[in-house]
Amino acid sequence: GAVVSQHPSWVICKSGTSVKIECRSLDFQATTMFWYRQFPKQSLMLMATSNEGSKATYEQGVEKDKFLINHASLTLSTLTVTSAHPEDSSFYICSARQGFGANVLTFGAGSRLTVL
Amino acid sequence: GENVEQHPSTLSVQEGDSAVIKCTYSDSASNYFPWYKQELGKGPQLIIDIRSNVGEKKDQRIAVTLNKTAKHFSLHITETQPEDSAVYFCAASRSGGGADGLTFGKGTHLIIQP
Repeated sequence: GAVVSQHPSWVICKSGTSVKIECRSLDFQATTMFWYRQFPKQSLMLMATSNEGSKATYEQGVEKDKFLINHASLTLSTLTVTSAHPEDSSFYICSARQGFGANVLTFGAGSRLTVL
Repeated sequence: GENVEQHPSTLSVQEGDSAVIKCTYSDSASNYFPWYKQELGKGPQLIIDIRSNVGEKKDQRIAVTLNKTAKHFSLHITETQPEDSAVYFCAASRSGGGADGLTFGKGTHLIIQP
């Protein structure tokens, strides 16, 4: 079946530094990827939609300059948390969709970010 | 936009009993309803989904029912086992194109008591 790999699975960084999280579709081409943020014991909050070759679409309230998304190929999307602060600490999850119109999403295992 | 309500937030059942989780949605145009299981520290895994052209779908111990008129859908797990303990999320979306993602419910923490 479809597999989405997310890396790193966990990362600890100092306040003020930037962190990049990668999301790769391993056995299929993903025209669209989604980035979610999840706080403890809460649901997944959609942050942005990443479309291959074009700019990401951000949800209301999500700072595009803070959370940089790049989807340069059909198998890779990256999320960079710039100038991270402790309040950015969270579980970040990506998902990928195969082809246009397909709504079956495959999720990555998530990346736990802790900002000291 | 779509709004998905999920109940209960926590559900504790005895091993071997059945568990039912219910969701309602607001957008009558939504026609794809997946259920995800998330274990601690992991990403959600799709366990079953249903589209609006069917009313029920079953896969071994797991079944999903959909009532389009009432705009609600439910997950049924029979003969529960300890490994069923996890957080379950329902979701809704429109299919057929577009860049919209899924709208998730807030999740149900299912606890299987031995």
